[in-house]
Formats: sequence, C-alpha cells, structure tokens
Amino acid sequence: AQSVTQLDSHVSVSEGTPVLLRCNYSSSYSPSLFWYVQHPNKGLQLLLKYTSAATLVKGINGFEAEFKKSETSFHLTKPSAHMSDAAEYFCVVTGRAAGNKLTFGGGTRVLVKP
Amino acid sequence: EPEVTQTPSHQVTQMGQEVILRCVPISNHLYFYWYRQILGQKVEFLVSFYNNEISEKSEIFDDQFSVERPDGSNFTLKIRSTKLEDSAMYFCASTYQGMDSAEQYFGPGTRLTVT
Repeated sequence: AQSVTQLDSHVSVSEGTPVLLRCNYSSSYSPSLFWYVQHPNKGLQLLLKYTSAATLVKGINGFEAEFKKSETSFHLTKPSAHMSDAAEYFCVVTGRAAGNKLTFGGGTRVLVKP
Repeated sequence: EPEVTQTPSHQVTQMGQEVILRCVPISNHLYFYWYRQILGQKVEFLVSFYNNEISEKSEIFDDQFSVERPDGSNFTLKIRSTKLEDSAMYFCASTYQGMDSAEQYFGPGTRLTVT
C-alpha cells in the first residue's frame, strides 16, 4: 500500500522569497516520487521525479526536492518564488508493485504575493 | 510539444444519463490512464489500459464505468448511468513506458457535473 500526505493545503509567499512545500509518503516498496504542478485550466505538468538515483533532484523552473528515506519525506523547494509559480502542487508516489498507478497527495495551493 | 487533449472541457448531464469523456493521448504512447478528482478531495486512480485491455482498476471503477480505445488515437471513458457522486474533474494520462519511473502526461481534464 502507498499513501502521500502534503502537510500544507495552502502556502503564501512573497515574490523573491523561498518556497517550501512539504510531502511525506508511505510505501511498502521502493517508491518513485514525483512533484506535479497544475496551473489554472491546464493539465498536470511534471516538475521533477525521484527514481532511486540521486537523492537531491533538480526539476524545471528552479525547483528541487530531496528524498529522505529516514524521514519518508520528499519536500519541494525553490530559493526564490516568482509570480508564475502560483499554482497547485501535487506530491505523487508510485512503484512497480503498485502497477505504476499514481497515488496523489491532497495538493498544496501556492499564492505568491508581489 | 505533444500534449494530451481532452474533450469536452465541461460536461453537464442529468442523473441517470450516459456520458462519454474523450481523450487523445500522445501519439506514440502505449499506456493510458484515467484519474478523477472530486471537489476538495485527492486525485484518485480509476483505471489503466494497455494493449487494448484494462491492466488495473480501482474499487471506484465499477460496472458503470468502461474504457475503450476505439481507434488509433482516442481513449474514452464511459459512465453508463451517472450518479450525483460522479461529479468530478476527470483526467486522462498517457505514457510511453510501463516503468514506474516513466512520466505520465496529463490532459487538462473534463469537469463533469451531474444534476
């Protein structure tokens, strides 16, 4: 079984300040972990993924995430928020034993203030 | 850049009616998925499809649901007799590989409203 908990349903940051979106996962096998972003009226877009290689993963648009097995976490960060980062972000887990179906967290809506 | 498309963007139907949600996956992809998100809840897996048959389905995907790839481009989700609780955003996704590390490419979704 697998599950994902996103610890914040909403995050508000000022433009130019760091962003931290927290994600904890539960999985009974070696997981693959993803962060997806959804802008209004758009499909879900992959930001980055972890697949048992380097634990620090860099993605698009300056985002990165660190896989910490001991903490079962996969937090997403960005050093400096941009107005275009306002969107909803989903932490997702899957694995071969899960038939590759994705299990989503509840999402974190990010608001960026000028 | 190739993308997954879905039609319609919004569908309103009456309870008990049949609806068909349409998706055009990326052309060389082989694995297809439907997910749904009820307002205020998590995105949930419904079904996966490969080689013209269902690979896996969730408990949600009961006899009222069916999927089909009627031609080389479309992938459809049919709900035979809609219920109020079927109101949700439905997302189609596709991927080329069946590996767990493979990115699933999502469409923009169809918002289904059952009245």
